[in-house]
Amino acid sequence: EAEVAQSPRYKITEKSQAVAFWCDPISGHATLYWYRQILGQGPELLVQFQDESVVDDSQLPKDRFSAERLKGVDSTLKIQPAELGDSAMYLCASSPVGIEQYFGPGTRLTVT
Amino acid sequence: QQPVQSPQAVILREGEDAVINCSSSKALYSVHWYRQKHGEAPVFLMILLKGGEQKGHEKISASFNEKKQQSSLYLTASQLSYSGTYFCGMRPAGGGNKLTFGTGTQLKVEL
Repeated sequence: EAEVAQSPRYKITEKSQAVAFWCDPISGHATLYWYRQILGQGPELLVQFQDESVVDDSQLPKDRFSAERLKGVDSTLKIQPAELGDSAMYLCASSPVGIEQYFGPGTRLTVT
Repeated sequence: QQPVQSPQAVILREGEDAVINCSSSKALYSVHWYRQKHGEAPVFLMILLKGGEQKGHEKISASFNEKKQQSSLYLTASQLSYSGTYFCGMRPAGGGNKLTFGTGTQLKVEL
C-alpha cells in the first residue's frame, strides 16, 4: 500500500538554527499539505499545494517558514531561524482529488 | 474557527459503545474522521459528504447533519485497538478544500 514518506522522523535543533523537512506524497496525488500539530491539539494547516502552486498559505509564518514543491511531486518545508515555540510534530499529507487526506508519519521537531 | 468535539476524553471497557460529537459554527461541505495513536500520524477513517449521510466501517459508523453543522462518530462493541485520539476535520461549504480539525477526543479502551 502506497504511503506518504517524510524525513527525518525526529529532529533536535538549537534556537536560531535552520531546519528542513522533506515529504514525498503518494504517487499521483496532486494536492499536498503541511500541517503543524502541537501536543494535545488537532493538526493546523500551514500550507497547501496543488501540483507546484501554493493554494493556501494563510497560516504560514512567512517571516521564518518557507515551503516549496518545485516539480509538483515532493516538497520541502524550511524554518529559519527556529524558535522554541516551533517545537511540534510536522505532518505532511497528500490527497488525490482534494477529498480524503493521507498523512505521513511526521517529523517531531524539538527546539532547544 | 476550530470545530468543537465532545467529550474531551472517555474511558471504556472492552465491548462498550461510545459516541463522539463534532460541531461547527460554519456551513459545511464535508466531515472527515481520523484516529491518531500516540506518536503516530492520523489515520483516515471515513468521509461524509452529504447532509444526513451515514456511513459505516465495520463497527465504526458516523452521521452528518448538514443543517445542524454537526457530525457524530459511533463506536460499537469497542476493542482495545480503538484506543487513540479521534479528530473530526471539517471542510466549509462554498468552495475550497481546507480542512479545519477539531479539538480531539481521547478514547481509551480497557479490559
